[in-house]
Amino acid sequence: RKEVEQDPGPFNVPEGATVAFNCTYSNSASQSFFWYRQDCRKEPKLLMSVYSSGNEDGRFTAQLNRASQYISLLIRDSKLSDSATYLCVVPYKAAGNKLTFGGGTRVLVKP
Amino acid sequence: EAQVTQNPRYLITVTGKKLTVTCSQNMNHEYMSWYRQDPGLGLRQIYYSMNVEVTDKGDVPEGYKVSRKEKRNFPLILESPSPNQTSLYFCASSSNRDRRAYEQYFGPGTRLTVT
Repeated sequence: RKEVEQDPGPFNVPEGATVAFNCTYSNSASQSFFWYRQDCRKEPKLLMSVYSSGNEDGRFTAQLNRASQYISLLIRDSKLSDSATYLCVVPYKAAGNKLTFGGGTRVLVKP
Repeated sequence: EAQVTQNPRYLITVTGKKLTVTCSQNMNHEYMSWYRQDPGLGLRQIYYSMNVEVTDKGDVPEGYKVSRKEKRNFPLILESPSPNQTSLYFCASSSNRDRRAYEQYFGPGTRLTVT
């Protein structure tokens, strides 16, 4: 099993709709989780951090399910500018700030 | 403006010709790291540095070297590039303090092609 797994998509979403996707992780000791956003051929940028059960920032909501070892990202009222690849990131502190990246979930918001 | 810069942004080279990709950050971050990104394989860590003069291997260090002589700079060296090192490379930095250690700032990327 991969350390961090994501559905690669693409998720084709009508503008204004809600989309949600999950990320599963294998290390039950992980305490914090991150969603990064990456536009095509650009650098990843931090979108949200999740340190407890979840986090909300505007139209974006991240939730953590420790029992089932997955985190989810929900985007409400999707905008065309939300089209990107969303990377799930899990740190492994024992290896010095090491981040393990999921393969990413591609989201395409269409008019 | 807080940023991570990389140079060059694009490079086409031939097998065996030594090259260096520079990375510099202006945020006084202790931690710096290099990643490569390949289709279907995602982002993989090459080397990282927890602070000046401290470097360690990531997941795919073979064929690469790094140095950390100054806090702001973390160059990636390919002594004898091969075609399988054709990839998109990202440099990243973060603070070593608490949770900020995992909030990494990435450079714009260097697209390397080795023929």
